[in-house]
Formats: sequence, structure tokens, C-alpha cells
Amino acid sequence: AQSVTQLDSQVPVFEEAPVELRCNYSSSVSVYLFWYVQYPNQGLQLLLKYLSGSTLVKGINGFEAEFNKSQTSFHLRKPSVHISDTAEYFCAVLNNAGNMLTFGGGTRLMVKP
Amino acid sequence: EAQVTQNPRYLITVTGKKLTVTCSQNMNHEYMSWYRQDPGLGLRQIYYSMNVEVTDKGDVPEGYKVSRKEKRNFPLILESPSPNQTSLYFCASSRGLLLYGYTFGSGTRLTVV
Repeated sequence: AQSVTQLDSQVPVFEEAPVELRCNYSSSVSVYLFWYVQYPNQGLQLLLKYLSGSTLVKGINGFEAEFNKSQTSFHLRKPSVHISDTAEYFCAVLNNAGNMLTFGGGTRLMVKP
Repeated sequence: EAQVTQNPRYLITVTGKKLTVTCSQNMNHEYMSWYRQDPGLGLRQIYYSMNVEVTDKGDVPEGYKVSRKEKRNFPLILESPSPNQTSLYFCASSRGLLLYGYTFGSGTRLTVV
């Protein structure tokens, strides 16, 4: 069975600073990884996904993530954050059958002015 | 507008009183799912449905029931709610998790006293 661990429950950062949100996964076979974002009082939205090919994946709102098979990681990065990026971010892994998406515990990104 | 609609948004109920949370999608998606979100635990899947009359258990199905009589609707039923089912619930749908990810509803905050 696959699982996802998000190493930081909260990440405070100042506006315009870079940020990295960490995600490690465990999966015995093919790996399909996702990042979702949840703004306050809303449902989750897809930020980006890795299915195959290039290990650097670009998503919406200037975010990108790098798939690292040897370190079983899929960290999310943004070179310069805005106040509007304040949200909770979830890493997720899809099983091989394509019918179950398992989420990590979430990381709350708090951008300060 | 393409969306997943959940009702109600907020619900306070008493232990043992049966309740139903409705979920409807207007995108003709075959796949639908229910999750609960608890602090530090991320989202955990309760039940999912691959198509009409096809449902299966997720990671935390105990105390919940679902039905899928029509493609657009996927209600979540709590026959005898207990306080440990106090949580934020999300319904989601997809036309293919691998390529398209989920479209989430806005959530239902349930409190069982």
C-alpha cells in the first residue's frame, strides 16, 4: 500500500521569500504524485501532478515540484511567495489501479507581510 | 458552471440521529468519492464509486453508508452518528484520477454532540 508523509505541519515564511514544502512517499510500484491546495473555507484544487517523464513539474500560480525517485520525495517549491499563497497544501499518491488517492497530513503555509 | 455541490454546509446533530449529506455533480463524472478531513490526518477516504451501483470501501468506512443510484448523486449516510464522526467532509468527483484529478465540493462541517 502506498502512503505519503508531509514532514512539516506548518511553514511560516515572509512575503517574497522562497519556500519548500516537503513530501515523502512510499509505493511499491509505479508512482503517480499530486499536490493539492486548499484555501480557507474551500475544497481542494489540483496544483500539479507527476505521472512520468521530466522530474520537474510546473503547476499553477508559479509552483513547481521535483520528483526524486532515489529519495522517494516530491517536494513543492515556489521562488517567491505572496500573501495569497496562504493555504493548506496536500501531497497525494495514486494507487496503481487508479481508483484510490491517498493524501498526506497537510502543510499549512503561512505567508507574513 | 461545472461543480460538485454538497448540502448542508454546516450541521450540528445529536448522537444516534440518522443523517444524510447530499452530493451532486453536473459534469457526468463516473468516479465519485467521500473523504473526511481531520487536523493532522489530512484527508482519509470513506467510500468511493466507480459508476452507478458500484461502490467500494475506502480507508475509514465504519459507521458510514453510501449509495449510487444515479450517476450525478452520491449521498453519504450516517445511520447512528457518534461524536468521533465530528469532522469536515468532502465529496469529490473525477472523469479519471490519473489525468484529471478530483473536483471537490466545498465541504460539510459536521458536529455530533
